[in-house]
Amino acid sequence: GAGVSQSPRYKVAKRGQDVALRCDPISGHVSLFWYQQALGQGPEFLTYFQNEAQLDKSGLPSDRFFAERPEGSVSTLKIQRTQQEDSAVYLCASTPALRYEQYFGPGTRLTVT
Amino acid sequence: AQKVTQAQTEISVVEKEDVTLDCVYETRDTTYYLFWYKQPPSGELVFLIRRNSFDEQNEISGRYSWNFQKSTSSFNFTITASQVVDSAVYFCALSEGGSEKLVFGKGTKLTVNP
Repeated sequence: GAGVSQSPRYKVAKRGQDVALRCDPISGHVSLFWYQQALGQGPEFLTYFQNEAQLDKSGLPSDRFFAERPEGSVSTLKIQRTQQEDSAVYLCASTPALRYEQYFGPGTRLTVT
Repeated sequence: AQKVTQAQTEISVVEKEDVTLDCVYETRDTTYYLFWYKQPPSGELVFLIRRNSFDEQNEISGRYSWNFQKSTSSFNFTITASQVVDSAVYFCALSEGGSEKLVFGKGTKLTVNP
């Protein structure tokens, strides 16, 4: 079966541009997570959905970051007015139920110039 | 607040050596979950193990073994007879009982030389 997929894999944006990153979780997985991984660091939690409900967005660094999962499947992470400090790999993960291990996608590497 | 510390930034070994990756965690919850993930050069995080706070039994899976000690808040990972394919960054992570999110350590980069 297919794993978690993310697109695009690489994105270069000029400072001030808006970007949208897509995550397709494993079919049937209830929970979906977004993490940000800076170079040489561990992933840091951004936000979490259970079905279409966003249950925790405590990790979003500013109001320029917005995530949605309108039909409880595909999710989009949007970053408005990108800044250089937004440059990172954005990882998506899904899990079939509570307390299960999270399955990660390959990530989207965002570079803001 | 929850925290995971991986004090070893980089480790380099020669093939067939045994190597232990350290993980120390902090949490105030009595119910929590610990994880290890592998991130090879390709970048995708690969799940290795999950352990809940009520199960202190050590686990062995092939060349991999994990030692969970609540008394020292540690969850260490040992690779026996290391191989070049084990070269990767390894992350330890913690999830508290009331939250689904994972808190990761900074990772340990393991290089296994032939």
